[in-house]
Amino acid sequence: EDKVVQSPLSLVVHEGDTVTLNCSYEVTNFRSLLWYKQEKKAPTFLFMLTSSGIEKKSGRLSSILDKKELFSILNITATQTGDSAVYLCAVRTGTASKLTFGTGTRLQVTL
Amino acid sequence: NAGVTQTPKFRVLKTGQSMTLLCAQDMNHEYMYWYRQDPGMGLRLIHYSVGEGTTAKGEVPDGYNVSRLKKQNFLLGLESAAPSQTSVYFCASKEDGHYNEQFFGPGTRLTVL
Repeated sequence: EDKVVQSPLSLVVHEGDTVTLNCSYEVTNFRSLLWYKQEKKAPTFLFMLTSSGIEKKSGRLSSILDKKELFSILNITATQTGDSAVYLCAVRTGTASKLTFGTGTRLQVTL
Repeated sequence: NAGVTQTPKFRVLKTGQSMTLLCAQDMNHEYMYWYRQDPGMGLRLIHYSVGEGTTAKGEVPDGYNVSRLKKQNFLLGLESAAPSQTSVYFCASKEDGHYNEQFFGPGTRLTVL
């Protein structure tokens, strides 16, 4: 059975802090790993990672994948209150592009 | 482009009632998916479709049926609702190709009493 585990489950930080969110996985037929941000409603796409060691970056967010150790991290620097959300990690497997999601990390950024 | 839309947004059912959730996408995507999201469980795949006229079971298909008669629509049916089906349901669609992400609809909050 495919499994994706995220840690920590929740996190409270002050604005300006840097956070690291973790995602480890055990799946068969790995294709890629995706990060999504979920505020009140639909998850919105952040990154897709397919190759080890190549950092993806978008503004203050960055992510990297380690296919040997089967994990990924999502970094957010200089956090803002608008970063408060649940961050979901998902692994894509097989030919139908099915996603297996972790339970998410709830991030709260306070003033 | 509206993207992925879902109707209804909210619904309350009594145990044993039936209903259909509609997902529509205007991006001409081949792949469509239905997920449910429960507290502490993440999103779990119910059923999916890789093209018009095709459907397949996901991780938690029991109690649900689906149909994809038109490429742009993916329907999720509950024939006899149970309290365990109280959840938030998300639909997603994806363009064909290995490196395309899934786009999600806004969700339907369903309560079964």
